[in-house]
Amino acid sequence: DTEVTQTPKHLVMGMTNKKSLKCEQHMGHRAMYWYKQKAKKPPELMFVYSYEKLSINESVPSRFSPECPNSSLLNLHLHALQPEDSALYLCASSQVETADIQYFGAGTRLSVL
Amino acid sequence: QKEVEQDPGPLSVPEGAIVSLNCTYSNSAFQYFMWYRQYSRKGPELLMYTYSSGNKEDGRFTAQVDKSSKYISLFIRDSQPSDSATYLCALRWDSNYQLIWGAGTKLIIKP
Repeated sequence: DTEVTQTPKHLVMGMTNKKSLKCEQHMGHRAMYWYKQKAKKPPELMFVYSYEKLSINESVPSRFSPECPNSSLLNLHLHALQPEDSALYLCASSQVETADIQYFGAGTRLSVL
Repeated sequence: QKEVEQDPGPLSVPEGAIVSLNCTYSNSAFQYFMWYRQYSRKGPELLMYTYSSGNKEDGRFTAQVDKSSKYISLFIRDSQPSDSATYLCALRWDSNYQLIWGAGTKLIIKP
């Protein structure tokens, strides 16, 4: 089973709202990732968690706040987003941070009004 | 010059044709070469991956890596309308988390 599950599938929020994206995997992977993907572009890495600790933050604005409550779960908390933050947000996992294969979830399509 | 170059297409071929998708890269240190398929509004799905050089086959799909030319290919035989999607190549150095992506090629298989 190579499934990464993301919820919700779609999210519409106003610029003053606070919302969270959730990601779950049960493959025993110890590295988890958040990516942002705009239309017709490849995914852009935002954050990397390794063994539940944040190891990489690709200079992402503080209105995006990641959290890794345990080895299976990854959250992305959203606050005071801008319309340009509208995108597909993808979660991925791999065995470890330096493992060759990353498995992606289906994504959350976020619209900021 | 981008690290990984991939023609965004679209590439339109008739059903049953052999499809060739390609990426070129500039950094000879890349060791892992992956092809992901992404349907509209879905996450990328890993199709094939190759370590170092050579060929790999899985059903109708064949991945080739030519490190001397810094060129990777994905061939799809007997293409089906369900193969219509965007195909992204992704490359990685050894012992490094970061995937370096191509732009993605949009493939359309006409019935």
